[in-house]
Amino acid sequence: EAGVAQSPRYKIIEKRQSVAFWCNPISGHATLYWYQQILGQGPKLLIQFQNNGVVDDSQLPKDRFSAERLKGVDSTLKIQPAKLEDSAVYLCASRSLRGSKNTEAFFGQGTRLTVV
Amino acid sequence: AQSVAQPEDQVNVAEGNPLTVKCTYSVSGNPYLFWYVQYPNRGLQFLLKYITGDNLVKGSYGFEAEFNKSQTSFHLKKPSALVSDSALYFCGSLEGAGSYQLTFGKGTKLSVIP
Repeated sequence: EAGVAQSPRYKIIEKRQSVAFWCNPISGHATLYWYQQILGQGPKLLIQFQNNGVVDDSQLPKDRFSAERLKGVDSTLKIQPAKLEDSAVYLCASRSLRGSKNTEAFFGQGTRLTVV
Repeated sequence: AQSVAQPEDQVNVAEGNPLTVKCTYSVSGNPYLFWYVQYPNRGLQFLLKYITGDNLVKGSYGFEAEFNKSQTSFHLKKPSALVSDSALYFCGSLEGAGSYQLTFGKGTKLSVIP
């Protein structure tokens, strides 16, 4: 099966600019996660969708970060305006609720953001 | 609060020796525990999971993990390390089922020395 697709792979922007990341999960996966992984740290969950609804966004800095999954498939994560401390890899993952793999998440390769 | 903890930032092991990467958990109820591996410039790859059943779980690439309820641990093991096993390893937990959160420890960097 095709994996989780993310784009772009790399992005360099200046502080105070805006940026958007895109994720296409595995077909049929109802749950979608966005994580922020700062160098040397574990992935930090930013937001979790179940179909097109938000399940958890408690760690999303809502003054500058936003995410949507309008049709319950693709998702975009936006940062506006970006700060230096937003430099990180942004990982998207998806998980099915059906079958024996309903608890295993599959990850994309991530988008490496550098804010200068 | 984190549901899983990885007490070691780095583990070094000689090629051919057994390796252990430690993880402890503090999930309430029945824990769903995972190990993922991350190679440079890649996303996380699933290695194995514990849901219920046997305490010894076998996964990809010869890795296994032992669930120990009394010690609240889920250590990752491999009998004979390969240089290609050098990577970042993350222990994770899924609280509940269905649409629950998947959270991770801070990670352990494994270096296998030729």
